[in-house]
Amino acid sequence: EPEVTQTPSHQVTQMGQEVILRCVPISNHLYFYWYRQILGQKVEFLVSFYNNEISEKSEIFDDQFSVERPDGSNFTLKIRSTKLEDSAMYFCARGGLAGANEQFFGPGTRLTVL
Amino acid sequence: QKEVEQNSGPLSVPEGAIASLNCTYSDRGSQSFFWYRQYSGKSPELIMFIYSNGDKEDGRFTAQLNKASQYVSLLIRDSQPSDSATYLCAVGGSSNTGKLIFGQGTTLQVKP
Repeated sequence: EPEVTQTPSHQVTQMGQEVILRCVPISNHLYFYWYRQILGQKVEFLVSFYNNEISEKSEIFDDQFSVERPDGSNFTLKIRSTKLEDSAMYFCARGGLAGANEQFFGPGTRLTVL
Repeated sequence: QKEVEQNSGPLSVPEGAIASLNCTYSDRGSQSFFWYRQYSGKSPELIMFIYSNGDKEDGRFTAQLNKASQYVSLLIRDSQPSDSATYLCAVGGSSNTGKLIFGQGTTLQVKP
């Protein structure tokens, strides 16, 4: 059973369009993260989210990115105006019940920007 | 720039042998260390974590941490073809927000 589920599994969009990637936790956790992995490259941290607030964001996470937990359950990553270089796998991860440290990744969303 | 370094490999070992994967990190304030396994096209799967100097064993896996040398390793005993994957070393930042910094990963090939 996945720790979190992510939708869609694959998103194709045109450059300049907005996309929303969704993460649904299986159980009630407080720590969530978004990472991305460009094909053939390292997994990169984007943002951490604790108790419905951003706790840290990377330099990648600029004004084009935002995160929300609109209904207290789903956790979304929005990219306002996609660029070709945003093409990557985007992973949502949740923290362990004991705290932030151990992180369990969802299956990912493959974003392709044309 | 805080870095995590791994040899990208591939590391090739025969079935039944011990595979040794290594990782170094630059942030001396790091407190938490993780090994993830990633099969091609899949998401990272947490297999080991270690917070204190020394060894930690879980089944066929042993994680080793040496904070003085800023060095983490993963040993896989009795390697199986199903262990063939990319192994990612990840280090928790000193900010305690849960941010993980990943290495490039080492590709392991276990040959029958």
